[in-house]
Amino acid sequence: QVQLQESGPGLVEPSQTLSLTCTVSGGSFSSGSYYWSWIRQPAGKGLEWIGRIYTSGSTNYNPSLESRVTISVDTSKNQFSLKLSSVTAADTAVYYCARVAWLRLEGYYYYYMDVWGEGTTVSVSS
Amino acid sequence: DIQMTQSPSSVSASVGDRVTITCRASQGFSRWLAWYQHKPGKAPKLLIYAASRLQSGVPSRFSGSGSGTDFTLTISSLQPEDFATYYCQQAHSFPYTFGQGTKLEIK
Repeated sequence: QVQLQESGPGLVEPSQTLSLTCTVSGGSFSSGSYYWSWIRQPAGKGLEWIGRIYTSGSTNYNPSLESRVTISVDTSKNQFSLKLSSVTAADTAVYYCARVAWLRLEGYYYYYMDVWGEGTTVSVSS
Repeated sequence: DIQMTQSPSSVSASVGDRVTITCRASQGFSRWLAWYQHKPGKAPKLLIYAASRLQSGVPSRFSGSGSGTDFTLTISSLQPEDFATYYCQQAHSFPYTFGQGTKLEIK
């Protein structure tokens, strides 16, 4: 059974770069059957999608964060990573990684996030 | 961006009750809608994908329906483990967006 686990510093100083890694275990990371995504949730607020990556390295980002975000993949380690630059207190949140699957139906691809990590809390503070 | 609006924002119900949560999209689309259950400190759990497909392992008391701008998640008979926050999410266009959540509480 596939599992995702986020890791990285829990505290980042303002203006610095937040770096997180998601390690995928128990499944075929490089099978080409999935995208891999990052989502965050500030305390007391809803979920915000950050972006996704395919194992080829192809990415899609949320335009609200695109100028500061980089998602990369390391298939040799079954990992994908998030970098968010120039962070402020507004970037304080629980960060989740997730697997993105799809259903092909009548010529369309219906995407959904079927496996999630438990999340890691990142605080931005000096 | 497609805005997703859930209603109600919170609901109190009893074990055995039938509960319906609605999600309205600012633009219409077909099946690009998923529902998640989220408990504090836990990973969100996929319940429904493609608007009405039940994820493997999810109890059949959960069901989803809808198309266009209006979607619903129904829990036919609430169980104690169902008290959580529920989110809808669209994957029709980037960026993926979520509803603000519906907190289901014990009455």
